[in-house]
Amino acid sequence: DVKVTQSSRYLVKRTGEKVFLECVQDMDHENMFWYRQDPGLGLRLIYFSYDVKMKEKGDIPEGYSVSREKKERFSLILESASTNQTSMYLCARGQGDSPLHFGNGTRLTVT
Amino acid sequence: GQSLEQPSEVTAVEGAIVQINCTYQTSGFYGLSWYQQHDGGAPTFLSYNGLDGLEETGRFSSFLSRSDSYGYLLLQELQMKDSASYFCAVRTGANNLFFGTGTRLTVIP
Repeated sequence: DVKVTQSSRYLVKRTGEKVFLECVQDMDHENMFWYRQDPGLGLRLIYFSYDVKMKEKGDIPEGYSVSREKKERFSLILESASTNQTSMYLCARGQGDSPLHFGNGTRLTVT
Repeated sequence: GQSLEQPSEVTAVEGAIVQINCTYQTSGFYGLSWYQQHDGGAPTFLSYNGLDGLEETGRFSSFLSRSDSYGYLLLQELQMKDSASYFCAVRTGANNLFFGTGTRLTVIP
């Protein structure tokens, strides 16, 4: 059974804090993705990584950065959290044309 | 810009058939996917159309017309457990899947 594990299900952070969202996959897939999901806006791609230390901006990268030091782990970083980053964050992994497998999401609230 | 349009909400009766449409306008197109998401859950893959035509997987079918930039998901013999959100998504590049805003399907007895 495929596993994409996000370290936290719920997070509450204060404005200005540095926030790390962690994601680990159990397959040897190169591609990993971070999406955010907001009501009425669907899933929007923040960043993706196609290999260790390789990253590409998605559609909404502003205010975020990522880190991929090992193939199985892909971290999303909010350098200085803001209230408009309150959202559901979904990590996914995929390989080529294969479907994306998502984690269960991290619901982040920034107060 | 890129856009995928799908209805925001659909309601259907248990046992019936429902069709969820998706029209797209994207900078690249490699195929159309459909994902299902139950409340509180992760999106899960349902189907993929890389070529024009109909793909069938059990009670679910998906259709694509690339010339019309249009596809749909057809759910037959609706069950209460089919109540969920359904997202169409276009593969716009080797590593990019662009999602629609989702259709919330409510199945009523």
